[in-house]
Amino acid sequence: AIQMTQSPSSLSASVGDRVTISCRASQYISNSVAWYQQKPGEAPALFIFSASTLESGVPSRFSGSGFGTDFTLTISSLQPEDSATYFCLQDYTSYTFGQGTSLEIK
Amino acid sequence: QVQLEASGPGLLKDSETLFLTCNVSAESLSGDYFTGSYFWSWIRRPAGKGLDYIGHVQNTGSSTYNPVFGSRATISLDKSKKQVSLRLRSVTAADTATYYCARVKVPSVPGRGFETWGQGKMVTVSS
Repeated sequence: AIQMTQSPSSLSASVGDRVTISCRASQYISNSVAWYQQKPGEAPALFIFSASTLESGVPSRFSGSGFGTDFTLTISSLQPEDSATYFCLQDYTSYTFGQGTSLEIK
Repeated sequence: QVQLEASGPGLLKDSETLFLTCNVSAESLSGDYFTGSYFWSWIRRPAGKGLDYIGHVQNTGSSTYNPVFGSRATISLDKSKKQVSLRLRSVTAADTATYYCARVKVPSVPGRGFETWGQGKMVTVSS
């Protein structure tokens, strides 16, 4: 089974900071990666798909990149409402989530 | 727009069987949400942990499961009731989690994943 190793597991940053979250796949997965944001008490929301395509309605400060095995979610200028847990997902073969990154605003 | 809502008992005991249903509805009743091609899926998140894909059922009734759950899980579809169900046998405390139903459109672009999610149902297993 394909494993997704996500880092860091938690992160604390200030408003306006640039934030990067990474996911590494245990094997080649092309661009078959999605990124989700989940806030407490809510369902995960799709933010980025196909590794780098922004879902409709998602702020442009969010971006994704990567291909093959290494993928990155970047928030260019952190806002208070970005406090949440972020997950990567691969759907190249079946479905596997990363362990999640809890993002806190200082 | 389709809406998903999971329901079922919130408290179980060791070795019991978890049974959850996901009701599929939308603001408009026109159209049949099951004639499109979708994977109707179950995913869970234990408190403080990551998301686990459990499995999915297709419109044909054919289902696929995460091997981690072995033969404990059964996912089925009732088109007449617009419901997707999850049965998880022999539960333990490790199955305590919030369970989500979600939908995958097929075919779709790579990495589109689960584009529609229900709100989730918290389930606690006590010994």
